[in-house]
Amino acid sequence: DIVLTQSPVLAVSLGQRATISCRASQSVSISSINLMHWYQQKPGQQPKLLIYRASNLASGIPARFSGSGSGTDFTLTIDPVQADDIAAYYCQQSRESPLTFGSGTKLEIK
Amino acid sequence: EVQLQQSGAELGKPGTSVKLSCKVSGYNIRNTYMHWVNQRPGKGLEWIGRIDPANGNTIYAEKFKSKATLTADTSSNTAYMQLSQLKSDDTAIYFCAMSQPFDYWGQGVMVTVSS
Repeated sequence: DIVLTQSPVLAVSLGQRATISCRASQSVSISSINLMHWYQQKPGQQPKLLIYRASNLASGIPARFSGSGSGTDFTLTIDPVQADDIAAYYCQQSRESPLTFGSGTKLEIK
Repeated sequence: EVQLQQSGAELGKPGTSVKLSCKVSGYNIRNTYMHWVNQRPGKGLEWIGRIDPANGNTIYAEKFKSKATLTADTSSNTAYMQLSQLKSDDTAIYFCAMSQPFDYWGQGVMVTVSS
């Protein structure tokens, strides 16, 4: 199985940039397609797709969210961070079954 | 508008089974895969498996192969997951999700296993 590793917590100040990383145990890219996606989950809610295939903004997601990376290293950036962004963020790979998620990064405000 | 409506909370006794439903509106499930994901209390997301409603083909994560059974009824546009031989460790929120990546999610259903 492909293991995705995320830091458990990230604390940032409002208005600053948050950079959340996700490292895969093996490449999740096929040719130039990076099969890594990012989700936001607020307490008591279902996850919401933010970024698909590493760098594509999902429908209705604000442009302060962006994604980058390839191979085994991926990043979700939120710039600037707003109070409404307090949530857990999960990466997920669809390179192969079983589909796997990272353990999640909780974004906190300093 | 695409919506996934899941059935209500379940309380099951150890050793019994529960069957969860996920009714899709606004999209024909024949044209996508339906996935199930769980989240144990205070923990992260875990993929259980997926079904192709057009032909019934399923893929499961190894640890759920004898726990979960995925089915789908295209006439009612509904996906189902049966969880068998319930244990306290199965207590979790279960989400259905559509497509890949998971564009659309159900609201989740809490399954509590307790005697």
